[in-house]
Amino acid sequence: DTAVSQTPKYLVTQMGNDKSIKCEQNLGHDTMYWYKQDSKKFLKIMFSYNNKELIINETVPNRFSPKSPDKAHLNLHINSLELGDSAVYFCASSQEEGFADTQYFGPGTRLTVL
Amino acid sequence: AQKITQTQPGMFVQEKEAVTLDCTYDTSDPSYGLFWYKQPSSGEMIFLIYQGSYDQQNATEGRYSLNFQKARKSANLVISASQLGDSAMYFCAMRVYTGANSKLTFGKGITLSVRP
Repeated sequence: DTAVSQTPKYLVTQMGNDKSIKCEQNLGHDTMYWYKQDSKKFLKIMFSYNNKELIINETVPNRFSPKSPDKAHLNLHINSLELGDSAVYFCASSQEEGFADTQYFGPGTRLTVL
Repeated sequence: AQKITQTQPGMFVQEKEAVTLDCTYDTSDPSYGLFWYKQPSSGEMIFLIYQGSYDQQNATEGRYSLNFQKARKSANLVISASQLGDSAMYFCAMRVYTGANSKLTFGKGITLSVRP
């Protein structure tokens, strides 16, 4: 009965490869997010979707492409992986996209690019 | 633009004592929400407590309370009766009301170590 789940938890891959991270929430929330946490633990939003519609698209290389097949899923596909993409990626969801809506995070995916 | 500042170095507290983790914020928007998250060594982000800018009372959730001082733009987290399991990194975050582009902005975090 996990609220926000991500797969895989760990991802180790070579530079230049393409990989995907999947996220699912069973909270019935309308809004989902992707965050990146760097090696210094700094968390920054990458994308947000509300009811499958892209709302926020931060300054992220276009090698990163989110896809939301339905409002319970938000996947992140990364093309041509680079060393600097190594980080922990968190998926999150909230009921709505308002400033008072609490975001609930998934367990994170640790991506290591060799 | 909104900003969250957490400047304390690593914090230490004795088990069963209370500890305050500092957070200051900066925004010109009158409508905003403040959040605290806990990240233990296992890596997940756990929501702890929320305070709205219009809330008249300080938020409380079990052993967690938020000392909200609006004029000083501070939102300190108070953990009472610390437990060993409270050892973790703690993040303060803020989201302002700017319509569709509203984003949750995080501070750099504070590491708390609870001593037995």
